[in-house]
Amino acid sequence: DTGVSQNPRHKITKRGQNVTFRCDPISEHNRLYWYRQTLGQGPEFLTYFQNEAQLEKSRLLSDRFSAERPKGSFSTLEIQRTEQGDSAMYLCASGGSEAFFGQGTRLTVV
Amino acid sequence: EDKVVQSPLSLVVHEGDTVTLNCSYEVTNFRSLLWYKQEKKAPTFLFMLTSSGIEKKSGRLSSILDKKELFSILNITATQTGDSAVYLCAHCTSGTYKYIFGTGTRLKVLA
Repeated sequence: DTGVSQNPRHKITKRGQNVTFRCDPISEHNRLYWYRQTLGQGPEFLTYFQNEAQLEKSRLLSDRFSAERPKGSFSTLEIQRTEQGDSAMYLCASGGSEAFFGQGTRLTVV
Repeated sequence: EDKVVQSPLSLVVHEGDTVTLNCSYEVTNFRSLLWYKQEKKAPTFLFMLTSSGIEKKSGRLSSILDKKELFSILNITATQTGDSAVYLCAHCTSGTYKYIFGTGTRLKVLA
């Protein structure tokens, strides 16, 4: 499978715990994006990378969220001290001129 | 601030009907506009539009962009139940490759 791969697919965590998600992009794509989607809404931009450089981060993004893309390949998104409001689908996409999405990680904070 | 507005928010039609979904956008520096189909999981790419007046077509789906009036439409002819999904529109600005999405149009096609 040469598409965008995300792990885990589902994550249930207790409030206050830290969680980390991984995204493996399509290999020839140098841009990688993280989005968050809640029910009935379109994907909300979180951050994006060009190679290993994080070029933009949403102003709405709490400092509990951090993303990395070491070596410009896979990326991780960490959420510290999770809150119930963090419950959402976290989508990763990689792109050339278009963006292609992975299947997402559904986070439930209880 | 850049934004994308889609209409209608939801639509229910019968198989065989033709539907037109609308996407209007406000953007400082336009690069491209994209359409996606989202069923239960991740959005799947449909079209990318960069030039006004040039129709993109794939089977029963087609889309066109009007850069003067800042909108795009997505047409689906002879709808089928498998077309039931949320259709998302996104724009990408020049100078950054960030995609801004609308809230989507939820289409339900009844047999």
